[in-house]
Amino acid sequence: DIQMTQSPSSLSASVGDRVIITCRASQRINSYLNWYQQKLGKAPKLLIYAAASLQSGVPSRFSGSGSGTDFTLTITSLQPEDFATYYCHQSYGTPQTFGHGTKVEVK
Amino acid sequence: QVQLQESGPGLVKPSGTLSLTCIVSGGSISTSDWWSWVRQPPGKGLEWIGEIYHSGTTYYNPSLKSRVTMSVDKSKNQFSLNLTSVTAADTATYYCASLDWDWEGKWFDAWGQGTPVIVSS
Repeated sequence: DIQMTQSPSSLSASVGDRVIITCRASQRINSYLNWYQQKLGKAPKLLIYAAASLQSGVPSRFSGSGSGTDFTLTITSLQPEDFATYYCHQSYGTPQTFGHGTKVEVK
Repeated sequence: QVQLQESGPGLVKPSGTLSLTCIVSGGSISTSDWWSWVRQPPGKGLEWIGEIYHSGTTYYNPSLKSRVTMSVDKSKNQFSLNLTSVTAADTATYYCASLDWDWEGKWFDAWGQGTPVIVSS
């Protein structure tokens, strides 16, 4: 299985901060990397697909980058509604696998 | 974008079979999308269970493959999950989701609200 290592596992930030979450794959996955946001008790929501494509309707403060094994999700100017848990997801190999999540909390 | 809604028992006895259905609305199940199940144990991360195409082609997580069966009912625009020989480790919220795809990969673009399933006697 392809292991997805997210870091940090949690972070504290303030509204307006720039937040960077990283995801490293245990082998090359090209750009087969997606990012999701999950709020407590809700289903995940797609933010970024194919490493860098912004899903329709998602604010432009979210961006993704990377290819191969190292990927980044950046939130510029964190908003109150962005406090949530974020997951990366690889669809290159079977089984598809997720990172363990990064919880973004209020500082 | 389609809407997805899971249904099924919220309580299953150990060694029994977990059976869930996902109703697809706002679009046809016979599109280019794949249809998938993902689960999340309480307080933990996400686990891909498997996916099915409207033709019936399936891919399952090897860790669950011996116990999982997925099917599609095009006449009802829905797809289903059966998981046999369940244990407490199968207690989780189960999500159905649609998988869009292109040459750059697959991604879950729509999700059901999730249904909690507890395995307990």
